[in-house]
Amino acid sequence: QVQLQESGPGLVKPSQTLSLTCTVSGASISSGSYYWTWIRQPAGKGLEWIGRAYSGGSTNYNPSLKSRVTISVDTSKNQLSLKLSSVTAADTAVYYCARTFSSSSPFFNVWGQGTLVTVSS
Amino acid sequence: EIVLTQSPGTLSLSPGERATLSCRASQSISSNYLAWYQQKLGQAPRLLVSGASRRATGIPDRFSGSGSGTDFTLTISRLEPEDFAVYYCHQYGSSPPTFGGGTKVEI
Repeated sequence: QVQLQESGPGLVKPSQTLSLTCTVSGASISSGSYYWTWIRQPAGKGLEWIGRAYSGGSTNYNPSLKSRVTISVDTSKNQLSLKLSSVTAADTAVYYCARTFSSSSPFFNVWGQGTLVTVSS
Repeated sequence: EIVLTQSPGTLSLSPGERATLSCRASQSISSNYLAWYQQKLGQAPRLLVSGASRRATGIPDRFSGSGSGTDFTLTISRLEPEDFAVYYCHQYGSSPPTFGGGTKVEI
């Protein structure tokens, strides 16, 4: 069974770059037709789709974050990564990685447990 | 982008009662690409329904989804104590994928 585990610094200073990793176990990130996705949730608020990487390597980003986001896949480590630049307090959130059921049915049926990132000096 | 509006914001009910949650889209959702998730405090969301009405594996049949176009509903026929949580709808037919603001089902 596929499992996802997010990791990275829990505290990032304003204007710096947030970097997170999602380690995939139980499946190869480069096989099949899936979207490997980052989603975030500020405390007490709803879910926001950040962007995704296809198993084949292409990426799509939320237009609201596109200028600051980079998502990539490291097939050698079976990991998905997220980089968000020029962070502010508004980027404080729990960050989830998730996998879609398939590329043609891109709802999220596998989620990581999430990792809290706080932006503060 | 498609905006999803969930109502009510909070639903106060008792175990055994029926819960009806609404999700309205700002434009028609193609192919009924609408999912529902349950989220409990401190946990990741859990998929309940996809394709507007298809229950995910292992989801009890007291959960049912319905609707099409711009209006969708999640119904919990008889609330169990473990059903008190926040529920989100999600459209995945148009990019970017979007989520509703959530409905909290509380005792």
